[in-house]
Amino acid sequence: KAGVTQTPRYLIKTRGQQVTLSCSPISGHRSVSWYQQTPGQGLQFLFEYFSETQRNKGNFPGRFSGRQFSNSRSEMNVSTLELGDSALYLCASSLRDRDTEAFFGQGTRLTVV
Amino acid sequence: AQSVTQLDSQVPVFEEAPVELRCNYSSSVSVYLFWYVQYPNQGLQLLLKYLSGSTLVESINGFEAEFNKSQTSFHLRKPSVHISDTAEYFCAVTRGRTGNQFYFGTGTSLTVIP
Repeated sequence: KAGVTQTPRYLIKTRGQQVTLSCSPISGHRSVSWYQQTPGQGLQFLFEYFSETQRNKGNFPGRFSGRQFSNSRSEMNVSTLELGDSALYLCASSLRDRDTEAFFGQGTRLTVV
Repeated sequence: AQSVTQLDSQVPVFEEAPVELRCNYSSSVSVYLFWYVQYPNQGLQLLLKYLSGSTLVESINGFEAEFNKSQTSFHLRKPSVHISDTAEYFCAVTRGRTGNQFYFGTGTSLTVIP
């Protein structure tokens, strides 16, 4: 059974650009959550999707957005990139909307220059 | 709101020595507790979890953690560490029944010295 797949693994963007990251959850899983990991702030929750609906949202500016498709694949978008957006972005997949376990992908390393 | 405190940011320990990584949490509601491990340039892997029942939970690679409700702690222990245990360890909580949002501690970097 394939794990959580995040693409791309590495990305370099320029300030002011926008970026889209992709996450394919484990087959059959319907919940996808996104986290930002930085050395200074640690792991911070961005948002969670279940059945194409955003269920929870963390404390991030509106430049951060996401969506989930009918096949449970999810994308997150960051517009008007800032240097501080450089981070490892992790996607987590869960079977149900109120699950007790999350499976993480390897992450996308975004560098903003 | 929930919060997680990992008291040690870095823990060096000699190979085959015991180790304890400390985790305390605060929550006004019942939570589920987890330890995740992260190797360099990798995502998070679940090490063990406490949902209910026995307060002592074990992983397949020799780690164990004990849920202590009165002290709101979930410390991770291993009686004898191996070089391959060198990694970043994260303690996390979730309310579970109200969504899949996890709250993570800031992590503890475990370095096993040969």
